[in-house]
Amino acid sequence: EDQVTQSPEALRLQEGESSSLNCSYTVSGLRGLFWYRQDPGKGPEFLFTLYSAGEEKEKERLKATLTKKESFLHITAPKPEDSATYLCAVQTAGSSNTGKLIFGQGTTLQVKP
Amino acid sequence: DVKVTQSSRYLVKRTGEKVFLECVQDMDHENMFWYRQDPGLGLRLIYFSYDVKMKEKGDIPEGYSVSREKKERFSLILESASTNQTSMYLCASSLTGPISEQYFGPGTRLTVT
Repeated sequence: EDQVTQSPEALRLQEGESSSLNCSYTVSGLRGLFWYRQDPGKGPEFLFTLYSAGEEKEKERLKATLTKKESFLHITAPKPEDSATYLCAVQTAGSSNTGKLIFGQGTTLQVKP
Repeated sequence: DVKVTQSSRYLVKRTGEKVFLECVQDMDHENMFWYRQDPGLGLRLIYFSYDVKMKEKGDIPEGYSVSREKKERFSLILESASTNQTSMYLCASSLTGPISEQYFGPGTRLTVT
């Protein structure tokens, strides 16, 4: 069964304290992996798409990387405004025509000033 | 920019009422999705549609139905609302293709009393 697992569930950092969020996946035929940011009471906001192992994408203090088994979202020198829940999702070969994604449970990040 | 809008941000309904949640996207996306999101349970797919008038059940379709008469609009219907349908409802859309990110609306917080 296809599965996406994110860890940790929650992460507290001091402002400026870099860290990484993990998304591990067990799927047949990965087509793409997506990262989203979700603020409380709002819909998820798309951040990155990763297509193949070894790929990296960056946006401000965030960098996403992908291996054959997992993805990391690295947060460098975070600020309080980076506090949010970060969701990981995968698209498999079997869902290319429908666009269905498999979502992880998310990691809730809190950055304290 | 992709724009996905939902008809209400907050909604309060009584048990047994028929409830309509509307979602509109302006990017000519073929695929549309309805999720509900509850603390500790993550995003759960209710129904999705990959074309006009086409619909497929997601992981938790019981108690819900959908309608897609036009490409840009996807409606979620609660035939007889129950208290266990109190939740955050999120609509999303995406293009058809081998790799396609979903774009989400702002969400509707539904309370059934």
